[in-house]
Parts: sequence; structure tokens; C-alpha cells
Amino acid sequence: GENVEQHPSTLSVQEGDSAVIKCTYSDSASNYFPWYKQELGKRPQLIIDIRSNVGEKKDQRIAVTLNKTAKHFSLHITETQPEDSAVYFCAATSFGNEKLTFGTGTRLTIIP
Amino acid sequence: DTGVSQDPRHKITKRGQNVTFRCDPISEHNRLYWYRQTLGQGPEFLTYFQNEAQLEKSRLLSDRFSAERPKGSFSTLEIQRTEQGDSAMYLCASSLLSQEQYFGPGTRLTVT
Repeated sequence: GENVEQHPSTLSVQEGDSAVIKCTYSDSASNYFPWYKQELGKRPQLIIDIRSNVGEKKDQRIAVTLNKTAKHFSLHITETQPEDSAVYFCAATSFGNEKLTFGTGTRLTIIP
Repeated sequence: DTGVSQDPRHKITKRGQNVTFRCDPISEHNRLYWYRQTLGQGPEFLTYFQNEAQLEKSRLLSDRFSAERPKGSFSTLEIQRTEQGDSAMYLCASSLLSQEQYFGPGTRLTVT
């Protein structure tokens, strides 16, 4: 089955700086890669996703890149703000598989 | 609120008791998923439904666990003879056809 590894497990950045979280996956059939943000005690919230037919996707301060050959994808947050502090999870799945396989999460702390 | 809802939000039970959780998906979403999340980990897939049909079950789902979605709308997850190792956050998610899964707030189960 699919295995997703996520790094780093914790990340602290100064407000206004950029943050990068990286994930690798094992199943070459995986074609959908979402990112979720989970604040303490709240539901995982889908913030951005990418499909295997594109290499990059942006949404305001958030971007995701995908390297299918190397089987890794990354989340980039620019101009970080205190409200970006949360745990971020990457995930992967393939068409027809349906279940998401999650990474172990990255606790991002934005230092004011 | 038109998002995924779950009930109850918190459940404390004694070991050996049975518990049942409910999930109401986003209306018109035909796919419904159950995940389990323990502290410091990403959600782990348990099972999923397309309409009323249960199409996949994880090996994490022992015979003490049963899930139903009788009319293709809400779903219930029952755990019989609870054990302390069942203590976790139980998350429900729903999707239409695009692989994008939207999560509910979860039910936090504590088995004493």
C-alpha cells in the first residue's frame, strides 16, 4: 500500500518569512495530493491540492509543487502570519483507491 | 452550517461498553469515509461508503467495529466492547466525485 513520509515534524519561522514542508510517497499510481491544515481541537481543513497532471499550483500565499519522477511534493507558504500556526498534513491517493494516506504531520509555529 | 457534522463531539465510556457515533455528510455527497486519529498522528483510514454500499474496510477495523450507511445519507460507526486502545478522535469525511474529502469536527472517544 501507499506510504507517505513528511518532514519536518516541527517548524518555526519568523512572521513574514516562508515555510516549506516536504512529503514523499511510495506508490507511483498515486495521482492526487491534498494538504490539510488542522488547528488545535478542530477538523482537518483542505487548503490546497494538486493532481498528477500538473507540476505546481498556487492559491494566494500557498503553493504546492509535485515531482512525479522523484515522488515528492511540497507545500510552500509565503509571507507567513500568526494564523498560519497549525499542524499541516500531506496525503496521497490514487484514482479508484479513494482512501487518503496521510503523513505524520508538521507542527508549524509562526514567531511574531 | 452545511459542512460535515458529527455527533457526539465527545464521548467518555467505560471499557467494555458499546458506543455509537453518527456522521452527517455534506448533502449530495455520495462518498463517506471514516478515519481514526490518535495524538500526534495523521488520520488513518477505517472504511468508506459509496451511497449505501460499504466498499472498503481497513484491517484496522476489527470485528468489534461496524459501520452502516443505510439510506446513503448519514452513517453510524459502532464500537462494541470498547478497549482503552480505542481512545482516539474518530473523523468522518465526505466527497462527491473529485477525490476532495471534507472532514467533520470529529468525535473524541475516551475509554476509561
